[in-house]
Amino acid sequence: DSGVTQTPKHLITATGQRVTLRCSPRSGDLSVYWYQQSLDQGLQFLIQYYNGEERAKGNILERFSAQQFPDLHSELNLSSLELGDSALYFCASSVDSGATPNYGYTFGSGTRLTVV
Amino acid sequence: GQNIDQPTEMTATEGAIVQINCTYQTSGFNGLFWYQQHAGEAPTFLSYNVLDGLEEKGRFSSFLSRSKGYSYLLLKELQMKDSASYLCAVRDYNYGQNFVFGPGTRLSVLP
Repeated sequence: DSGVTQTPKHLITATGQRVTLRCSPRSGDLSVYWYQQSLDQGLQFLIQYYNGEERAKGNILERFSAQQFPDLHSELNLSSLELGDSALYFCASSVDSGATPNYGYTFGSGTRLTVV
Repeated sequence: GQNIDQPTEMTATEGAIVQINCTYQTSGFNGLFWYQQHAGEAPTFLSYNVLDGLEEKGRFSSFLSRSKGYSYLLLKELQMKDSASYLCAVRDYNYGQNFVFGPGTRLSVLP
């Protein structure tokens, strides 16, 4: 157990629907990162939050949004789902904001989203 | 922008040594990380280099040459459980200090 908790582990939904993925970071970690991993692509960075504020944005679609709450858990909202959104969605956490170079991420076990 | 390249697949024999190469181009280099990922599971941290040279960690070693934009991960005494994808990731000042991951190298260890 990495200490980063993601729920649900699996999600099957229809095109056009909206889903929410949840992530609880490791105790003491202030940063939460969201990544998407499709079969034909590597890990794609979506968005980072640090202590409740958005810190960096990657290749996140406008149909996707995220937030980090005061208790530091984060939610990734995916709307108007398309077949191509089927992927593994990973959350990772770290203690820093990214300023300290020698800290890596701790990844959660991921949510497998299947859009049918 | 960033560009990270790794071989797609490699095969090696149990007990052997294998070297997985990674080349990168980035304007704000701030460290290179290697992660291991078994199919359907989360990536797990293996090693980190920010200065040139070799970092050794048990059966795993990682090398970095910043001037060449090159790193490799060396796995010794291969075991069947080492069959996994190995991801090279660059931390980039210009990308909010976030990681840009390479496509990964799928390693198959054969008996």
